[in-house]
Formats: sequence, structure tokens, C-alpha cells
Amino acid sequence: QQPVQSPQAVILREGEDAVINCSSSKALYSVHWYRQKHGEAPVFLMILLKGGEQKGHEKISASFNEKKQQSSLYLTASQLSYSGTYFCGTERGAGNMLTFGGGTRLMVKP
Amino acid sequence: DAGVIQSPRHEVTEMGQEVTLRCKPISGHNSLFWYRQTMMRGLELLIYFNNNVPIDDSGMPEDRFSAKMPNASFSTLKIQPSEPRDSAVYFCASSLAPANVLTFGAGSRLTVL
Repeated sequence: QQPVQSPQAVILREGEDAVINCSSSKALYSVHWYRQKHGEAPVFLMILLKGGEQKGHEKISASFNEKKQQSSLYLTASQLSYSGTYFCGTERGAGNMLTFGGGTRLMVKP
Repeated sequence: DAGVIQSPRHEVTEMGQEVTLRCKPISGHNSLFWYRQTMMRGLELLIYFNNNVPIDDSGMPEDRFSAKMPNASFSTLKIQPSEPRDSAVYFCASSLAPANVLTFGAGSRLTVL
């Protein structure tokens, strides 16, 4: 079952913050985050395993609330290079297939 | 490593023709995935292989689609006959299971007229 992402789109000015949410109705083993720039392939950002850990990648971090089966991606002090579509992918067990959400289109303006 | 290599990058064909998309995964990766991306349906998993064996093909739209992985370094996705609604970008991705961190190929953009 496909995870649900929100919002579907967000427009920011450089330096502003954003949060992208991903939720599932099923118990999850892990949540992955990918970013896809226009005309390119999705690129892996980070993976969060069940346990509620938080991870960071430069000024992009994420959390995973195992009880709520929700993950959030935090983008702080956004840069123009952050523009793209962000996808969360969920796994229900180790080595299971990865199911992607519908994506969140992020546009950062100068 | 050259990454995941897909061919062709672009394919334009007419309805009813056979289309074959090819993928070379990253050496050492043991899982391979075929995804289809459209504006309407997003990223859909079509089929995935583990150690060259198809594990889940429930995403394959219908019998017109078939996928093979004859060895660890090569996979094909075939559509026969093709239809306009098959127009999409088809991505191949590979990973080292059980950690399914996917590396995607550049994609094959298919247009069926």
C-alpha cells in the first residue's frame, strides 16, 4: 500500500524551512527518502529504521515515529539546490520491496 | 563504478510494436527493481528480482509486460504489443539486499504513438 505524502507541493524562499510528511497505515520496518531533480533519476538521501531515530544529511534531517508509522523530512535554511521532488519509500520488512509515496514537489526561489 | 546503466535512453515507437528495455545493475548488487514513472501514477514498482529470481511481479500491469534476469549483470523489460498508455519513464534500480538502498539508472523514456 502506497504511503501518503503531504504537502503535495511547497514553494520556499532561500533560507526558509520546510517539513515534508510521510504516513502509512501499515506497520513499517523502514522509511527511505529520495530526491529527484527534473529530468533526472531519484537519488537516495537517507534511511530510517524502526526505533524512532533521527538522521541528518547536511541541513536535511528526518525522523521516524514508529508508533504512528510516520516520518518527517526537515529541510532547514533551504538552498536553491534543494529544489526537486521528494519521495518517501517504505518497507514493511527487511529486504522487502520499497513502495513510494506520490512525491512532494519543492521549489526554492531566490 | 559506472552505476546502473539503462538503454535505450529514449524510445519512440508505434502502437503494436515490441519494446525491449535493458538494464545493467551495479556489480555486486543482488537485487534489481523495475519502476515506471508517470505524472498520474507516480513511481510504481513493476517487478523486483533477488539473486536473479523474480520475487514479486504483482505490479506488472498485464500479460503484455514481461521481465527477465538471465544473470546477475543483465535484465530486460519487454512490452509486446506496446500501447500509448505505456508511455512513461522506466527506471531500473539495484541494491544490496537486505538494505534496500536503491541506486537508480538514468531511466528509459518510452513514447508509444
